[in-house]
Amino acid sequence: NAGVTQTPKFQVLKTGQSMTLQCAQDMNHEYMSWYRQDPGMGLRLIHYSVGAGITDQGEVPNGYNVSRSTTEDFPLRLLSAAPSQTSVYFCASSYVYNEQFFGPGTRLTVL
Amino acid sequence: GENVEQHPSTLSVQEGDSAVIKCTYSDSASNYFPWYKQELGKRPQLIIDIRSNVGEKKDQRIAVTLNKTAKHFSLHITETQPEDSAVYFCAARLGGGADGLTFGKGTHLIIQP
Repeated sequence: NAGVTQTPKFQVLKTGQSMTLQCAQDMNHEYMSWYRQDPGMGLRLIHYSVGAGITDQGEVPNGYNVSRSTTEDFPLRLLSAAPSQTSVYFCASSYVYNEQFFGPGTRLTVL
Repeated sequence: GENVEQHPSTLSVQEGDSAVIKCTYSDSASNYFPWYKQELGKRPQLIIDIRSNVGEKKDQRIAVTLNKTAKHFSLHITETQPEDSAVYFCAARLGGGADGLTFGKGTHLIIQP
């Protein structure tokens, strides 16, 4: 099992550009989520999904879109990148009610 | 929504001593409380968790206690070792299980030789 994988590991964008952060898991977990981690702020929930076709907003959803067409994949889209979106992004998955497993993270810089 | 406060933000202890990190939560409907350890540049990894029907849980040198009435929970690490140096995060999840975790802001634990 690869667990939770994320691509890319690093990305630099210019303000206004769009991009998609990829997340995949091979554990057949129903629940997937995206967090962002900023210095001194802990991890904050962006969006989450409890199964294919179902998504919901977390604490900081503005500027991000998600979709869940399969159990395995949960991409995060930045529509028009802003410097405030410079952060480390973590994807996580779990069976509902159980431990969340985190991916290795994507370090994003927006200039 | 849920709010989780974590203290202290930095904790320095001598190797072999104990370390205690404390968290409080706001929503009495929260029923799952994990603790994550994050080393520099790495992903958070679960070290222990507790559910609201349990008051204490231990795993070797690590223990977590939960006081539902006061809405606080604590991480206890005994006989600290250099490899315990990391940032530790507490978190809480609302009862439905389909919500994400709300994290504290983290404690940087430094083990002095």
